[in-house]
Amino acid sequence: GAGVSQTPSNKVTEKGKYVELRCDPISGHTALYWYRQSLGQGPEFLIYFQGTGAADDSGLPNDRFFAVRPEGSVSTLKIQRTERGDSAVYLCASSASGGYNEQFFGPGTRLTVL
Amino acid sequence: AQSVAQPEDQVNVAEGNPLTVKCTYSVSGNPYLFWYVQYPNRGLQFLLKYITGDNLVKGSYGFEAEFNKSQTSFHLKKPSALVSDSALYFCAVNQAGTALIFGKGTTLSVSS
Repeated sequence: GAGVSQTPSNKVTEKGKYVELRCDPISGHTALYWYRQSLGQGPEFLIYFQGTGAADDSGLPNDRFFAVRPEGSVSTLKIQRTERGDSAVYLCASSASGGYNEQFFGPGTRLTVL
Repeated sequence: AQSVAQPEDQVNVAEGNPLTVKCTYSVSGNPYLFWYVQYPNRGLQFLLKYITGDNLVKGSYGFEAEFNKSQTSFHLKKPSALVSDSALYFCAVNQAGTALIFGKGTTLSVSS
């Protein structure tokens, strides 16, 4: 079956602009996660959804970052007033029911803020 | 706070030799540990996990990992390395059934 997909694969924007990154999880997976991976680092947790609600958003770095999952499937990560430090690969993952189940990752969106 | 450490940035091994990629963890409570692999231009792929039970966990592509509670380690192993195993490997711990907390990663290079 289809894995986790993310669009766009690459996004280049200018400092101060608004961006949206999309994630399509594996069909039927109730849990969805966003991570951010900077060069030479492991992925860092941003936010976790169980169904439509954000169960844990403790990893969001500041209020410029926001994510939604209105129908419990597709999720959008939104970044306002982008800064050069936001440049990274943004990874999405899903799992069947959360908890300690393995998470399946998408290929990521590479965001570059000029 | 929960964390994992991967003390080696890079591991080099010859094809056919055994390989070990090291990981140590720090958790309060029971550890839930994972290994993922990242190939260039591809997403993270799940290899194996330890939740409870047998200390030797077998996973994908012939990899296995040994959980050692006294040494707080969860080293990834393979008896005979392949050139195609060359990739970036991440150890991770699951924080309270939500987020994965990843190490910095170890680059494995297998030479022919």
